[in-house]
Order: sequence, then C-alpha cells, then structure tokens
Amino acid sequence: DVKVTQSSRYLVKRTGEKVFLECVQDMDHENMFWYRQDPGLGLRLIYFSYDVKMKEKGDIPEGYSVSREKKERFSLILESASTNQTSMYLCASSFPTDPTGELFFGEGSRLTVL
Amino acid sequence: AQTVTQSQPEMSVQEAETVTLSCTYDTSESDYYLFWYKQPPSRQMILVIRQEAYKQQNATENRFSVNFQKAAKSFSLKISDSQLGDAAMYFCAAVPGTYKYIFGTGTRLKVLA
Repeated sequence: DVKVTQSSRYLVKRTGEKVFLECVQDMDHENMFWYRQDPGLGLRLIYFSYDVKMKEKGDIPEGYSVSREKKERFSLILESASTNQTSMYLCASSFPTDPTGELFFGEGSRLTVL
Repeated sequence: AQTVTQSQPEMSVQEAETVTLSCTYDTSESDYYLFWYKQPPSRQMILVIRQEAYKQQNATENRFSVNFQKAAKSFSLKISDSQLGDAAMYFCAAVPGTYKYIFGTGTRLKVLA
C-alpha cells in the first residue's frame, strides 16, 4: 500500500519559533507537495518539488520554505511562526509519469501557533 | 483565473439514500482531469473518482458516479446507497496541467442513520 507519513499529527508552537514539518513517502514518487487546508478556503499549494533539491513556489509560499535532500523526504519550514499560520498542513506525492497526476496524501499536521 | 467552485458547504443524506454533490470549474485548457477526493474525519484524503475531460462517458466507481457536463463545466458526484462510512469532507479538483491541482472549498457530507 502507498504510504505518505507526516511526522507530527498535532503541534503547538509559540510565535517566532522555527517549525519543521516532515513528510516521508515510500512510493518512489518524484513529485511531492505541501498544501495548507483552511475551512472555507479548500487546499492551497504552498510549495512543490519535482525532484531532489528542486522546488517551486505554489500559490502561498510567503513565510514558508522547503527542503528536499532525499527523494522520499520533503520538509516544510516555518522560519518564524506566526498566528496566521495556524492551520492544517497536508503533504502529498505523485508520479510525474501518471498523466492523471493522482495525489497520495498524508494524514495531515495540525499546527497551532500561540 | 482557473477556479473550482463547490457551492454546498454542507449536505446531509439519509443512510441508503442517494446524494449529489455539486462542482463547477473554469479552465481555459482543452485537456484536463477532474477528481473527487474524500477526507474522512481525522484520516487521510483519498481519491474517490476521476474523469478525463476528453472522455464523454461518465466515470463510475461502485456506488460513486459523476455527471460530467463539459459545456457547462460541471462535474457533480453522485453517491448511491449512502453508508455511514461515506461521511466526510469531499473536495472537487481540476488538473489543467501537470502538478497544478485546483481544489474547491469542500462539501461536508453528513450521513444520518
């Protein structure tokens, strides 16, 4: 079975802290994504990566950065967390050669910034 | 701008009944895919059904089927014989190009016993 694992289901951080959200997939997928999910706004793409050390900004990259040192791992970094970054964060992966681009999701990381 | 609109924030259905979730989209691309994803409470999002825009025939997966109206840019999901396990958030999505998923805002489906 396909597996996308996010390291933390729930996190509580303070304003100004550096936050790392980790995501690991075991499907040898080239593409990996970080989305932010907020009620009434759906899923918004923060960053995606189509290969190791390659990344591209999504629709809402401000305040975030990413790291992909290994194919299976894609990390989202909040350099200085702010309260407006309180949200659910979803990691996903896909095969670039799959024309449909089906996404496989992790269970999500719910971040609260106080 | 390319958009996906789900106009029903919440829907309810009686167990064993049929429910239809609405989705409209707007894209200038001629070739694209459409998806419905399901997000159960506290569980990961999974693919329910997909439709290729160039195919006329509506996709079907067991109790789930779509009504794809290309000219109207409409892509509704019909769930037949609803079950308690169908209770979830449902997201409609369009993929007009590689990687570029455009998601709707979601419809929360409640299934009443």
